[in-house]
Amino acid sequence: RKEVEQDPGPFNVPEGATVAFNCTYSNSASQSFFWYRQDCRKEPKLLMSVYSSGNEDGRFTAQLNRASQYISLLIRDSKLSDSATYLCVVNKGSARQLTFGSGTQLTVLP
Amino acid sequence: DGGITQSPKYLFRKEGQNVTLSCEQNLNHDAMYWYRQDPGQGLRLIYYSQIVNDFQKGDIAEGYSVSREKKESFPLTVTSAQKNPTAFYLCASSITSVNSPLHFGNGTRLTVT
Repeated sequence: RKEVEQDPGPFNVPEGATVAFNCTYSNSASQSFFWYRQDCRKEPKLLMSVYSSGNEDGRFTAQLNRASQYISLLIRDSKLSDSATYLCVVNKGSARQLTFGSGTQLTVLP
Repeated sequence: DGGITQSPKYLFRKEGQNVTLSCEQNLNHDAMYWYRQDPGQGLRLIYYSQIVNDFQKGDIAEGYSVSREKKESFPLTVTSAQKNPTAFYLCASSITSVNSPLHFGNGTRLTVT
């Protein structure tokens, strides 16, 4: 089993739709969690950190479920500009222990 | 503006040649990292450094070397011993805290033929 698993997609959704991605992690000692966005052939950019109580940033909501060992990202009112690959990142507690998921590809259609 | 600069953006080399990728940051971050990304795969850690003059191997260090002589700079050399060097290389930096996210440079796409 991979340390961090994501559904690769692709998710093709119409503009305005709500879409959710999940990411599961295998190590219960994981301490911090992030969602990154990566556009085609570009570097990953931090979208948001994920806090235990859940957090929201505009149209984006991130949640953490430690009992079931997954994090989620919800995007409301999808825009064409949201089309990208979304990477889940889990940190077990040191520089070496930061693991990236393979990413979930999202395409928002007009 | 603060940030991380990688150069060059595209690099082409013949098999058997060593090549050095540049990474410079002005964010005053102590920690710097090199990752490799292959199509359809997650990022894999090559080397990281948490302080000047010190660095550690990541998960796929074979065939690579690094130096950290200055806080701002963390160059990566891809040697001829690296069996599959063609990839997208990403440099990142962070403050040294487990909850700190990484900030990435814009990457170097290396093609070896």
